[in-house]
Amino acid sequence: EAQVTQNPRYLITVTGKKLTVTCSQNMNHEYMSWYRQDPGLGLRQIYYSMNVEVTDKGDVPEGYKVSRKEKRNFPLILESPSPNQTSLYFCASSAGQGLSHEQYFGPGTRLTVT
Amino acid sequence: AQSVAQPEDQVNVAEGNPLTVKCTYSVSGNPYLFWYVQYPNRGLQFLLKYITGDNLVKGSYGFEAEFNKSQTSFHLKKPSALVSDSALYFCAVRGLSGGYQKVTFGIGTKLQVIP
Repeated sequence: EAQVTQNPRYLITVTGKKLTVTCSQNMNHEYMSWYRQDPGLGLRQIYYSMNVEVTDKGDVPEGYKVSRKEKRNFPLILESPSPNQTSLYFCASSAGQGLSHEQYFGPGTRLTVT
Repeated sequence: AQSVAQPEDQVNVAEGNPLTVKCTYSVSGNPYLFWYVQYPNRGLQFLLKYITGDNLVKGSYGFEAEFNKSQTSFHLKKPSALVSDSALYFCAVRGLSGGYQKVTFGIGTKLQVIP
């Protein structure tokens, strides 16, 4: 089954404790992206990747890191999480680098930072 | 900078009635517009997109959207609403901004279909 998977689905952590949220897609997609969803703000793009070893900042990259060492994986790293990073996070992928491609979303990761 | 506006936080419609969820956008260059739906505790699912061509775009689950270039709008429509259509709907634009490829979402519109 074609899908985007994220782990963990739920995570409660404390301020400053490094964490990684994994994202993997099995569709051989070139483009991958991370978003955070907050009430009243919709989804905001954190980082995206056009292909292996190619990443760029989205609208809200501060406090996050990403890497794209393999085509299928695009982990999101919070090196020193803070309470304002409490949010619902989504990973997404699309078939091509072009603007016309729709995205396929993972199920989401709900992160709470205390 | 590109932007998307969804002016209604919530839309209520009776089952069987037509529904419209509004979206306006701003983007440099050609607009690539998308509608996604989010059911509770789920990720977003793609409904339909406008790339070029016919202004009326048909998508999944009987939804369609009308692109209007002069009004910079991309409203989502369905002729007859179902209770199962109740969900959160997002409009999005994909474009180039400052040399970066950006995806901008609206804040979402909650659709409530009343039996």
